[in-house]
Amino acid sequence: GEDVEQSLFLSVREGDSSVINCTYTDSSSTYLYWYKQEPGAGLQLLTYIFSNMDMKQDQRLTVLLNKKDKHLSLRIADTQTGDSAIYFCAVGSGDKLIFGTGTRLQVFP
Amino acid sequence: DAGVIQSPRHEVTEMGQEVTLRCKPISGHDYLFWYRQTMMRGLELLIYFNNNVPIDDSGMPEDRFSAKMPNASFSTLKIQPSEPRDSAVYFCASHSSGGADTQYFGPGTRLTVL
Repeated sequence: GEDVEQSLFLSVREGDSSVINCTYTDSSSTYLYWYKQEPGAGLQLLTYIFSNMDMKQDQRLTVLLNKKDKHLSLRIADTQTGDSAIYFCAVGSGDKLIFGTGTRLQVFP
Repeated sequence: DAGVIQSPRHEVTEMGQEVTLRCKPISGHDYLFWYRQTMMRGLELLIYFNNNVPIDDSGMPEDRFSAKMPNASFSTLKIQPSEPRDSAVYFCASHSSGGADTQYFGPGTRLTVL
């Protein structure tokens, strides 16, 4: 079945860029997603990219998709303490989404 | 739109008791998903519905778990009898077919079974 993998932790200094990576196995996904989960809250959609795109930029967020390598990344520019959260990569699989394990981003001053 | 609504937000119960979690999806959404999140296992899909019909319940841990969707605006996840290992955060999510398969999540129910 579909497998989505992410590193578990990332620690960055406030003001630096953060890059969260994700690899997946199913290349048939039409859309690929990034969700953010803050403590005690549900998952919130951050952004998504259509599979025929290589890049999508939305303010401080940049999503890069390398279909050949089945690699998805999320770059957060000028990372702030409010960006501290768990970030989930997800890929579509039929009616469902397959989520990665989540990357816990810690931003320190 | 109020988003996906879940109740209760927190539930503490004793082992052996019945627990019922409730979800109201976003109006007009035809898919509804139940997930469970734990530190050990991450986010697991338990079951999902399309047009109120269960499509895939392969993620339901065992017969103690059951889910229903009697109409387009309401779903329940029931655990009977509950066990301490069922302690987790349970999320409901919904989406509308015909576009990006973006799922919208509720705030979750934190279940503690003592």
